Amino acid sequence: GAVVSQHPSRVICKSGTSVKIECRSLDFQATTMFWYRQFPKQSLMLMATSNEGSKATYEQGVEKDKFLINHASLTLSTLTVTSAHPEDSSFYICSASNTLTGELFFGEGSRLTVL
Amino acid sequence: QKEVEQDPGPLSVPEGAIVSLNCTYSNSAFQYFMWYRQYSRKGPELLMYTYSSGNKEDGRFTAQVDKSSKYISLFIRDSQPSDSATYLCAMTKGNEKLTFGTGTRLTIIP
Repeated sequence: GAVVSQHPSRVICKSGTSVKIECRSLDFQATTMFWYRQFPKQSLMLMATSNEGSKATYEQGVEKDKFLINHASLTLSTLTVTSAHPEDSSFYICSASNTLTGELFFGEGSRLTVL
Repeated sequence: QKEVEQDPGPLSVPEGAIVSLNCTYSNSAFQYFMWYRQYSRKGPELLMYTYSSGNKEDGRFTAQVDKSSKYISLFIRDSQPSDSATYLCAMTKGNEKLTFGTGTRLTIIP
């Protein structure tokens, strides 16, 4: 079946550094990918919608200069958390929408811990 | 009022029981309805995907959508301890962002 690969699954970094998370659709093309964050015991909150070849659309309250999204190909989107701070520690999850069927598949998530 | 309401639980049922999970929503434009299962520290896994009203069955899982009542359900028959997880309902108007419920934590007691 369709698989979305997210890497790294866990990352620990120092405050002030930048962290890049990759989201790949392995056996389908995804014109649209989505980035979510999930705090403990809470539901997924959409951060931004990433469209291949164009700028991402950010949800209200999400700083686009802090959370840089690049969707350079039909199978890869990246989220870069710039100048990370402890409050950015969270579980970041991507999803990819199959261009042909519209079905949405999720990555395994990336747990970011900022010290 | 949230667009999607889901009882967060926790819900505990004995092994073999039928589990009923539900969500209500307010936006009549939603057309696609999904149920995801999320194990601890993992990303959500798509269980059922339904378009518009009706029932859909897949093994021990049955999804129901009642658009007139703006109510969706997921039934799990012959529940197993491996079904213990958080179940998230989600819906969308089309090929765009999902709106999620808060998730229901389910525990199946052996």
